[in-house]
Amino acid sequence: DAGVTQSPTHLIKTRGQQVTLRCSPKSGHDTVSWYQQALGQGPQFIFQYYEEEERQRGNFPDRFSGHQFPNYSSELNVNALLLGDSALYLCASSRSGQETQYFGPGTRLLVL
Amino acid sequence: QQQVKQSPQSLIVQKGGISIINCAYENTAFDYFPWYQQFPGKGPALLIAIRPDVSEKKEGRFTISFNKSAKQFSLHIMDSQPGDSATYFCAASKGSGNTGKLIFGQGTTLQVKP
Repeated sequence: DAGVTQSPTHLIKTRGQQVTLRCSPKSGHDTVSWYQQALGQGPQFIFQYYEEEERQRGNFPDRFSGHQFPNYSSELNVNALLLGDSALYLCASSRSGQETQYFGPGTRLLVL
Repeated sequence: QQQVKQSPQSLIVQKGGISIINCAYENTAFDYFPWYQQFPGKGPALLIAIRPDVSEKKEGRFTISFNKSAKQFSLHIMDSQPGDSATYFCAASKGSGNTGKLIFGQGTTLQVKP
């Protein structure tokens, strides 16, 4: 059983550009959450998708948007990239009625 | 009120010793408290979690102690091994799984010396 997968593993962009990150949840999972982890910090919650709708959102600007597809996979889009957006972006999946969020390996984004 | 404060920032323990990491929270609505372990280049992996209706939970060498009145909880790693060297994060949420948004502490880097 494959775990949570994310692509790409690494990405380099310049300020002002746009980026799309992708996540495939564990088999049987229907909920995807996205987190941003700056270097040396704990992950910070961006938003959560369930049944193709954004269900919860953290304190992130509208430049951060997402989508969930009918197969439960998800995308995170960031527009107008800033240097401060450089971080590890983590996707976590979970299943209705179960406690645990399972994290993928992340996508490391560097904005120059 | 959404913060989770974690200490110490770093910890060095001899092999076979006990590692203790502490966390404090403010939001009394939190009802799920997991601990995650993260190795370099990997995503966080769940170690153990507790709900506030119990004061202690043990799984193998890992124990969570929970003090609801003090709004504190801690992770104890017994018989620490070099393979335990990693970064540990406490977290808290209202709800869990597909309803909870995890609020993480700042992390503790543990080094276990052989």
